[in-house]
Amino acid sequence: EPEVTQTPSHQVTQMGQEVILRCVPISNHLYFYWYRQILGQKVEFLVSFYNNEISEKSEIFDDQFSVERPDGSNFTLKIRSTKLEDSAMYFCASSEAGRVAGNTIYFGEGSWLTVV
Amino acid sequence: AQSVTQLGSHVSVSEGALVLLRCNYSSSVPPYLFWYVQYPNQGLQLLLKYTSAATLVKGINGFEAEFKKSETSFHLTKPSAHMSDAAEYFCAVRPGGANNLFFGTGTRLTVIP
Repeated sequence: EPEVTQTPSHQVTQMGQEVILRCVPISNHLYFYWYRQILGQKVEFLVSFYNNEISEKSEIFDDQFSVERPDGSNFTLKIRSTKLEDSAMYFCASSEAGRVAGNTIYFGEGSWLTVV
Repeated sequence: AQSVTQLGSHVSVSEGALVLLRCNYSSSVPPYLFWYVQYPNQGLQLLLKYTSAATLVKGINGFEAEFKKSETSFHLTKPSAHMSDAAEYFCAVRPGGANNLFFGTGTRLTVIP
């Protein structure tokens, strides 16, 4: 069964460093997303991406975050200067369609980011 | 505004007992509702979804959920718990017209032998 894959599964970085989290969405999907889950808190929407541009973003997704689809298969989340509060599990997701009733968003296994 | 409330961050049931995980939502527009499960060290897997067709929705692994508009609820049930059901369960809402999901805080299900 097709799946969303993410790398790395776990990364430890020093505060202030740049981090890039990578994702390979399901191949025929057109919409891509990043969500995050701080330990003990709910899963939160960060950003959605369609047709090579951001379609929606949350208040969390400020100037230190960026997303990119550098080639036909990868989708990346960059955090420019990490803060301690960026420590979280980051989930990549993809869906075939957007705002339709039956649309299902498929999630990867997550990348656990620890900022020290 | 849209939000999801999952009552009970931890639920323990005996093997073979009924599983009931509660989810209430608020949405300013007709919602689409989802239950996801996260097994240890794995990603979020879709269990089932409500998309305004039948109000009783059947999912994988014997789970089902009933959409009750009058109660703004979408509780997840399974008649008989199995050890392999131990996981974290997330209820999520996608307001009609939106493309992203709003999640609850999750309920960790423990199954006691």
